[in-house]
Amino acid sequence: QSVLTQPPSASGTPGQRVTISCSGSSSNIGSNTVSWYQQLPGTAPKLLIYRNNQRPSGVPDRFSGSKSGTSASLAISGLQSEDEADYHCAAWDDRLNGYVFGTGTEVTVL
Amino acid sequence: QVQLVESGGGVVQPGRSLRLSCAASEFTFSSFTMHWVRQAPGKGLEWVAFISYDGNTKYYGDSVRGRFTISRDNSKNTLYLQMNSLRPEDTAVYYCARDYGSGMGDYWGQGTLVTVSS
Repeated sequence: QSVLTQPPSASGTPGQRVTISCSGSSSNIGSNTVSWYQQLPGTAPKLLIYRNNQRPSGVPDRFSGSKSGTSASLAISGLQSEDEADYHCAAWDDRLNGYVFGTGTEVTVL
Repeated sequence: QVQLVESGGGVVQPGRSLRLSCAASEFTFSSFTMHWVRQAPGKGLEWVAFISYDGNTKYYGDSVRGRFTISRDNSKNTLYLQMNSLRPEDTAVYYCARDYGSGMGDYWGQGTLVTVSS
């Protein structure tokens, strides 16, 4: 089961900014870095943000991540139709000795 | 280009076993920690297991601990997941993913579907 809480859905029109939250606890987000993954329909997840706010090579700078305390956020600015996907956060959990994922957020471009 | 290719999925009856493989190429497999992650139909991602680069350290998710075993053969550049006592709730697409040092999943395989059903 998911330990990190995300809103089930988010939406916006092209060009808008969308923000997705990821809420955890002191044993995961509070003490470890957060990663974000984008999963297009029918495909494997793709690393979008690592170490809270770093973008891998090739990820547009429209995507940004932040972390504060036991929560993290992913922002998509200048929303585009190809951003329609599921987005997942993850962090190591020191109490569980394992990775925990968020519940996932489906982003729709209206 | 880094490649991870899973195989071994299929339909299996409850209580039976299955072994998944993940063939790695185009990187020094023996230098990287690896993970298995699964996704049940229509559900979110669930971390399954972790194995260190040398195979000496392993961690498991609560739902699979004691039933699944992660292993690796660095001479064959291959990661494995031995799944025993399978349950219907183990039905999922299973992905292998590479660790990037401070997190998981800079590269993922395409996934292999495991269906546990009588």
